[in-house]
Amino acid sequence: QVQLQESGPGLVKPSETLSLTCVVSGYSITSGYYWGWIRQPPGKGLEWIASIHYSGNTYYNPSLKSRVTISVNTPKSQVSLKLTSVTAADTAVYYCASEGGLTRVRGVMDVWGKGTTVTVSS
Amino acid sequence: DIQMTQSPSSLSASVGDRVTITCRASQGINIYLAWFQQKPGKAPKSLIYAASSLQSGVPSKFSGSGSGTDFTLTITSLQPEDFATYYCQQYNSYPYTFGQGTKLEIK
Repeated sequence: QVQLQESGPGLVKPSETLSLTCVVSGYSITSGYYWGWIRQPPGKGLEWIASIHYSGNTYYNPSLKSRVTISVNTPKSQVSLKLTSVTAADTAVYYCASEGGLTRVRGVMDVWGKGTTVTVSS
Repeated sequence: DIQMTQSPSSLSASVGDRVTITCRASQGINIYLAWFQQKPGKAPKSLIYAASSLQSGVPSKFSGSGSGTDFTLTITSLQPEDFATYYCQQYNSYPYTFGQGTKLEIK
């Protein structure tokens, strides 16, 4: 059974860099299609951030592309996200998701982690 | 970007009711549409993909339809555990985009 577990700092100061990690278990990270990050500000909707294939192929949301880097560490079965120059607008729950890990359909976010809350504040 | 618009934004219904939520894309997305259910404090749960394919383990009370720009999610025989927020999402092209959500509340 695919399980995803996000982790992060919880609190980040404005202008600093946010670093998040998603550990994939119960499934080979090289078997899935893509792995993605999605965020949800408090009381608001969902925003797709970026996706990566284990080969390194990446896609980014243009609204965040200049500040975001997604990467994969295959031996550690981890997917990471870095977001630079954060502001209060980046305060959100950040989710990691498998794209097509169960359905074998690219783009279908079929398994999600529980999410990690990030607050940007001084 | 493809804009996804859900209606209504909120909906009140009673246990046992049948409800329908609509999702419209700003341009054609074939059948590359998914539906999610989200309960407070929890991660979204995948319900439907490819507009009408039920995810494994999701009860058949949930059904989806549509193609192109107009899609619907129908839930029959509402139970207390179905009251949640529902989101549609297109994966026809990057950037993937979500609808604003429909909050289904108990009347």
